[in-house]
Amino acid sequence: DIVMTQSPDSLAVSLGERATINCKSSQSVLYSSNNKNFLAWYQQKPGLPPKLLIYWASTRESGVPDRFSGSGSGTDFTLTISSLQAEDVAVYYCQQYYSTSPYTFGQGTKLEIK
Amino acid sequence: DVQLVESGGALVQPGGSLRLSCAASGFTLSSHSMNWVRQAPGKGLEWISFISSSGSTTSYAGSVKGRFTISRDNAKNSLDLQMNSLRAEDTAMYYCARVGVISWYFDLWGRGTLITVSS
Repeated sequence: DIVMTQSPDSLAVSLGERATINCKSSQSVLYSSNNKNFLAWYQQKPGLPPKLLIYWASTRESGVPDRFSGSGSGTDFTLTISSLQAEDVAVYYCQQYYSTSPYTFGQGTKLEIK
Repeated sequence: DVQLVESGGALVQPGGSLRLSCAASGFTLSSHSMNWVRQAPGKGLEWISFISSSGSTTSYAGSVKGRFTISRDNAKNSLDLQMNSLRAEDTAMYYCARVGVISWYFDLWGRGTLITVSS
């Protein structure tokens, strides 16, 4: 199984400041035939289901604000929120879909306001 | 509206069985592979089962293999999860999640249904 490890487990950032969440996979999720990283990011607000933010490691889902960006390749990935807003308080998960049996998620990173 | 709505959650005793359903609306379920993902209270996300768009291919996490069965009825636009031999550690919110048309990430989630396994 591909193990996904996020860091940090929790993060407190001031409003308007940058938030950075890291995700590392135990093996590369870069698919050589199309040169795409099979890595997604999800946001889960309290009491709600997860919501897709980013796929292919860096492509924003429709409707996602452009303050959210994803980067990285191979085994190391980053989700960046360029200017934290109050509504961004949530738990963020990375997920690899390179192997779909099983799909695996990171343990989650809780983002709070400082 | 494009949405998924789960149902069937309940309090069940250890060793019992339960059947969850996921109803799709606003889109054609038969165009998408589907999954079940669960989240124990205060914990992270755990993928538990996948079914292809036609239903011909299924897969399961090791934690549920042999106890849970995923199925779908494309004519009724619905997805099911039959859960047998339930254990306390199966207590969780269960979400159905749609696979995107572009690739294998989950682009739509239901709001979940809660299973509590306790005597």
